[in-house]
Amino acid sequence: GQQVMQIPQYQHVQEGEDFTTYCNSSTTLSNIQWYKQRPGGHPVFLIQLVKSGEVKKQKRLTFQFGEAKKNSSLHITATQTTDVGTYFCASAGFQKLVFGTGTRLLVSP
Amino acid sequence: EPEVTQTPSHQVTQMGQEVILRCVPISNHLYFYWYRQILGQKVEFLVSFYNNEISEKSEIFDDQFSVERPDGSNFTLKIRSTKLEDSAMYFCASRAATSTDTQYFGPGTRLTVL
Repeated sequence: GQQVMQIPQYQHVQEGEDFTTYCNSSTTLSNIQWYKQRPGGHPVFLIQLVKSGEVKKQKRLTFQFGEAKKNSSLHITATQTTDVGTYFCASAGFQKLVFGTGTRLLVSP
Repeated sequence: EPEVTQTPSHQVTQMGQEVILRCVPISNHLYFYWYRQILGQKVEFLVSFYNNEISEKSEIFDDQFSVERPDGSNFTLKIRSTKLEDSAMYFCASRAATSTDTQYFGPGTRLTVL
């Protein structure tokens, strides 16, 4: 079945540093969604990308969908302690989400 | 803002016992899902439900699992005979109408099987 991998598995940064997580799929994606899960919390939808090469921004977060629609990235500029959590990409099919392996972000003040 | 709710927040049970996890999806949503997340791992799809029947299920969703929408508001996941490896966080999610609509997740039920 489809596999969605993310790297790195874990990243620890100092507040103010940038952070990037990469998402790679074994198959071409119709779309990609990004979720944030705070420690002890549930996945919260951040954004959906649909078009090849699409770039979307939400304040300090920049999301990109690869030209071949097999990869995506999330970049956070100048991290804050509130950015702590695990970031998951997910392939959104009609019947289900296939989540990536996640990147856990820790931000030290 | 409407939200998905789940009860209980934490369930402890003995191996071999039956458990029912409950969810109240967002009221105008038509598609319902169960996912699970073993501690420290990724979120895994279990089952999707639409129009009072299962649309798709994963390999994890074997004969020990069942889902039901017993009334107009609740959506339940039953595990007939729990195993130690069923210990996980179980998330319910719901979605409105189209394929591009977002899935909204509930806060989850932490199931601990002893």
